[in-house]
Amino acid sequence: KAGVTQTPRYLIKTRGQQVTLSCSPISGHRSVSWYQQTPGQGLQFLFEYFSETQRNKGNFPGRFSGRQFSNSRSEMNVSTLELGDSALYLCASSFNLRAYEQYFGPGTRLTVT
Amino acid sequence: AQTVTQSQPEMSVQEAETVTLSCTYDTSESDYYLFWYKQPPSRQMILVIRQEAYKQQNATENRFSVNFQKAAKSFSLKISDSQLGDAAMYFCAYRSAITGANSKLTFGKGITLSVRP
Repeated sequence: KAGVTQTPRYLIKTRGQQVTLSCSPISGHRSVSWYQQTPGQGLQFLFEYFSETQRNKGNFPGRFSGRQFSNSRSEMNVSTLELGDSALYLCASSFNLRAYEQYFGPGTRLTVT
Repeated sequence: AQTVTQSQPEMSVQEAETVTLSCTYDTSESDYYLFWYKQPPSRQMILVIRQEAYKQQNATENRFSVNFQKAAKSFSLKISDSQLGDAAMYFCAYRSAITGANSKLTFGKGITLSVRP
């Protein structure tokens, strides 16, 4: 089975712009979670989707949003980018909400200038 | 809210020797899962080992084992016979097992492990 894929792998944006990141989970997995990783804050949970519904949300401003499609692929969007949004964004998929193991993608490195 | 603390930012071990990575956590819940994840320089995070809180027996996966002390809220990872490929950042993570299920992981800050040849 193919692993979790994330596109693009690298992205450079300017303050004030918006960005959309994509995540394709492992085939058959219906739960997708997003995390932000920065040197200062470490790994922080953004949100989680299951069956096209947001099930859980982390403590991030409303500029961060996401969605999940019927094929379980997920996108996250960040509007009005700030310098502090520069981070590695990781997506993780699991079979369902109760599955032990989450499989992580390689991440999207976002740099905001 | 749950918190996970990894107080050692860096550790180093000689190849073939044993190293223990520390992790403590805080929670008011009685049922939960604990994990150790490895993130090599290529950045793909992979699960190393997991422990269910209701199990008293410490989990073991080949050269990796944990020392789970529920009362002390401690969850350390022991790597035996360290190999060069073990060099990575290691994250301790917590997940609630309360119904109303969600997959949210709470991570510690991570420990960078280097392996000396």
